[in-house]
Amino acid sequence: DAGVTQSPTHLIKTRGQQVTLRCSPKSGHDTVSWYQQALGQGPQFIFQYYEEEERQRGNFPDRFSGHQFPNYSSELNVNALLLGDSALYLCASSLKAAQGNSPLHFGNGTRLTVT
Amino acid sequence: QKEVEQDPGPLSVPEGAIVSLNCTYSNSAFQYFMWYRQYSRKGPELLMYTYSSGNKEDGRFTAQVDKSSKYISLFIRDSQPSDSATYLCAMSDQGTSYDKVIFGPGTSLSVIP
Repeated sequence: DAGVTQSPTHLIKTRGQQVTLRCSPKSGHDTVSWYQQALGQGPQFIFQYYEEEERQRGNFPDRFSGHQFPNYSSELNVNALLLGDSALYLCASSLKAAQGNSPLHFGNGTRLTVT
Repeated sequence: QKEVEQDPGPLSVPEGAIVSLNCTYSNSAFQYFMWYRQYSRKGPELLMYTYSSGNKEDGRFTAQVDKSSKYISLFIRDSQPSDSATYLCAMSDQGTSYDKVIFGPGTSLSVIP
């Protein structure tokens, strides 16, 4: 049973560039959430996708956008990268229909470094 | 005031000790409470989850929620070196699933053999 997979594992970008991160949810899950985790901090909610639409969004600027595909996989895009965007980006999946009985399952993240 | 507060540690204990990890929160609407364990260079792994107030036990782990005090705890009995990790408390006020989960900053734990 495949868990949440993310690619790439590491990425180095230059300030001002754009980046795309990818996530495949755990088998059987249909909802994908993205989190940003700065060094020494807890994960911060970016947004959540369900049925190919953004359903909720945290306090992140429009430079952060995403997409969910019919197979439930998802992408996170960040435009005009800033040094402060350097962080571990975590993808988490869950099953919407299970309501309170479907906790978040996380991938191991993509470590993004902006220079 | 942050929504979820957690002592960052680091916390260092001898093998076999009982570990107590705690979080306080400010949003009385939170009703789902979770503890995640995160090893270095890995994603968070769910340890425990509870709904509303009360206790829940799973092996060496016990989670407690006191909504009246806005305080949650995780106890680890007979701690092992493999328990060395960062422990994140998390909570949600959503009525369905675990949408928009809010995390604490994490407590770093080291269990010394």
